[in-house]
Amino acid sequence: DAMVIQNPRYQVTQFGKPVTLSCSQTLNHNVMYWYQQKSSQAPKLLFHYYDKDFNNEADTPDNFQSRRPNTSFCFLDIRSPGLGDAAMYLCATRHGTGGRQETQYFGPGTRLLVL
Amino acid sequence: RKEVEQDPGPFNVPEGATVAFNCTYSNSASQSFFWYRQDCRKEPKLLMSVYSSGNEDGRFTAQLNRASQYISLLIRDSKLSDSATYLCVVTPSNTGKLIFGQGTTLQVKP
Repeated sequence: DAMVIQNPRYQVTQFGKPVTLSCSQTLNHNVMYWYQQKSSQAPKLLFHYYDKDFNNEADTPDNFQSRRPNTSFCFLDIRSPGLGDAAMYLCATRHGTGGRQETQYFGPGTRLLVL
Repeated sequence: RKEVEQDPGPFNVPEGATVAFNCTYSNSASQSFFWYRQDCRKEPKLLMSVYSSGNEDGRFTAQLNRASQYISLLIRDSKLSDSATYLCVVTPSNTGKLIFGQGTTLQVKP
């Protein structure tokens, strides 16, 4: 059974047109993460939530926003996508209570194409 | 300097070969270490955690050298299904955040 679900799996948007990617989890985990992975590059953390506490990485562009309305759902909003934002966007979760070796569970990713 | 550095490869090896990947990290305060596997156009999946004493899981052996800030992964008796990108991952301090290396691509050929 899927534990971290991302929709849609593929998203095509136009340059400058706002787009929202969604992530849901059935694990009841406290922590949710959004990563951006460009072709042949490492996944790069954009931000994460510990419960409702939002943590933005210092180098995450203002163009990227996130919402976590409840434990199960987390959204990534790209306000004005540019060509350079085309990437795979990965959502991950972690329980958040078991110490530093806790596993992160990744969703299958949403591949974003900007035309 | 990148926080986590890996040789991107690709490593092309025949079936049955033994192959080793290396990784270095820059933050001496890093506390947790992992190897993830990522298949083409798929999400990363945890392969194994890496402990100071070294650990083994079947054909896979991971080693950590804190003094040299160096992590390794050894794959014995390579299978075709081992073809993937192997990501070295480090957690700085107690943040729980994962810092990924660029990944090393392995191609196992018949």
